This record gives sequence, C-alpha cells and structure tokens, in this order.
Amino acid sequence: AQTVTQSQPEMSVQEAETVTLSCTYDTSENNYYLFWYKQPPSRQMILVIRQEAYKQQNATENRFSVNFQKAAKSFSLKISDSQLGDTAMYFCALNSNTGNQFYFGTGTSLTVIP
Amino acid sequence: DTEVTQTPKHLVMGMTNKKSLKCEQHMGHRAMYWYKQKAKKPPELMFVYSYEKLSINESVPSRFSPECPNSSLLNLHLHALQPEDSALYLCASSQTPGQGNTEAFFGQGTRLTVV
Repeated sequence: AQTVTQSQPEMSVQEAETVTLSCTYDTSENNYYLFWYKQPPSRQMILVIRQEAYKQQNATENRFSVNFQKAAKSFSLKISDSQLGDTAMYFCALNSNTGNQFYFGTGTSLTVIP
Repeated sequence: DTEVTQTPKHLVMGMTNKKSLKCEQHMGHRAMYWYKQKAKKPPELMFVYSYEKLSINESVPSRFSPECPNSSLLNLHLHALQPEDSALYLCASSQTPGQGNTEAFFGQGTRLTVV
C-alpha cells in the first residue's frame, strides 16, 4: 500500500520570503516517483516539480526545490522568493512503476501575504 | 499541445437527468484518469484507462459510467446522481501506463452541481 501524508493543512508566508511544505510517504516499492502539484483557485492542477527516488540529487525548478530524504521517506518543497501567484493548494503525490495511479496527500493551502 | 480539455466547465443537473462529461487530449498519452474532488480535499481516483481499456475502477457507483472511445477521448456518463455527487470532476492523462516517472496532465475540471 502507498500513502502520502501532508501534516500542514494551512500555511502563510510573506511575499519574497521562503516557505517549506512538508510531505512524508510510505511505499513498499523500490522504484517510485514523487511529485508536487499546485492547484490555484482557477482549479487546474499544475506540476511544480518531480523527483525520481533513485536519484540522490534534489530536484530544482527555478524558485522551487525539494529536500528528498529517502531513508526518512520525506519529500518537502521549498519555495524561495514567494510571489502572490504562489497562493494555491499544494499536493504531494507518489506514483510507482508497478501501479498506474497517483497517490495524493491531503494538501496544504498556502497563502502568500503582500 | 500539452493540454487536457474538459467540457463543460460547469454543469447543473437534476437527479433524474442524464448528462456526460467529456475529456480530450492530443499528446499521445495512453493512460487517462477520472478524479472526483471536493473542496479543499485531494482528488479521489475514480477510474483509470490504460490503452483504452478500463484498468482501475475504485468501486465507483454504477450511476457513473466511463467510456474511452479512442486514445484521445474519455467520457463520463452520469445518470440518477445524488446531491452528494456535487464536486469538481478532473480528467488527467499520462504518457505510458505502468511508467510512474511520467507526470499527469490535468484538465481544468467540470464543476458539477446536482439539484
């Protein structure tokens, strides 16, 4: 069984500051992939960043980076220089090569304060 | 073209109505998904199609009937819904079934209200 846990239902951050969203997961698979998705009020889920579990190097996409701790099964998202457009629900998700579905965490509602 | 297009964007239907939701992608993806999402909650998987065949049905009531006529199109037929079925219905696609490294692309969803 695969589970994804996000323990922060709501967070806020001042514009231009840095914020970290937490995610832990559990899986018995050896080969899996982790994702952070953003869902703004416009509703569309958008991929923020992706991490392959077999890669030790943490993924980075512009202002977004992850801290992937495989042994601890932790996958946090760091947003630097927060912008008003970052206000959204953020979902952590897991997929494996033996299944064909994405397992989502419960989400973190992030508000960027001007 | 990296879009998943869902129509309609909004739908209000009575409990005795029959309606359909449509989802289309032209990225050559062979896995397509239907999710149901309530406010402030994560998407809940309903159905997965792999190579146009239904591969996962998450014990969804029969009043929801999926259909995949071809590799680009996914429908969700609705009949005799209940008010608690009101939600955002999201369609998604990914490149290759069984390859977890490919991201899912989501449509904007259909906001369904059952009255």
